[in-house]
Amino acid sequence: EPEVTQTPSHQVTQMGQEVILRCVPISNHLYFYWYRQILGQKVEFLVSFYNNEISEKSEIFDDQFSVERPDGSNFTLKIRSTKLEDSAMYFCASSGDYRNEQFFGPGTRLTVL
Amino acid sequence: GDSVTQMEGPVTLSEEAFLTINCTYTATGYPSLFWYVQYPGEGLQLLLKATKADDKGSNKGFEATYRKETTSFHLEKGSVQVSDSAVYFCALWSDYKLSFGAGTTVTVRA
Repeated sequence: EPEVTQTPSHQVTQMGQEVILRCVPISNHLYFYWYRQILGQKVEFLVSFYNNEISEKSEIFDDQFSVERPDGSNFTLKIRSTKLEDSAMYFCASSGDYRNEQFFGPGTRLTVL
Repeated sequence: GDSVTQMEGPVTLSEEAFLTINCTYTATGYPSLFWYVQYPGEGLQLLLKATKADDKGSNKGFEATYRKETTSFHLEKGSVQVSDSAVYFCALWSDYKLSFGAGTTVTVRA
């Protein structure tokens, strides 16, 4: 069964450093998403991406964040200068024709020290 | 904005017990509703969904009915197994995104 994969599973970084989280969505899906879950809090929407551009984004997704589909398979989330409060589990998701049926990856746990 | 409120956990049950996790929503329209499950060490998996009032979603013995009059989408399973131990998230789809509840941790003991 096709699945969304994410790398790395755990990333530790120093405050102020740039990180790139990687995702490989399901191959025939057209919509891609990033969500995050700070420990003990709700899963929150960050951004959606379609046709090589951002289609929706939340207030959380400020200028520190960017997304890219650098090739035909990867979808990345970049955080330019990490802050302590960026520590969270980051989930990638993708969907096909039915946008509301999203398939999630296992997540990347980001720890900012 | 549209939101979901979910029963707080953790919930601990014995095998073969009945499970209910309450979920209510606040929305301006009639959003699609979902239950996702997260097993230890894994990502979120879609468990079931309902797209309109009175729809019943079902999967793996779990059921939930979209109740417009009570704005609810409670998850139920008649006889849980140890393998059902997981975190369960209620979610709604509106404004082109999923909004999740806080999650309910369920532990089933043999």
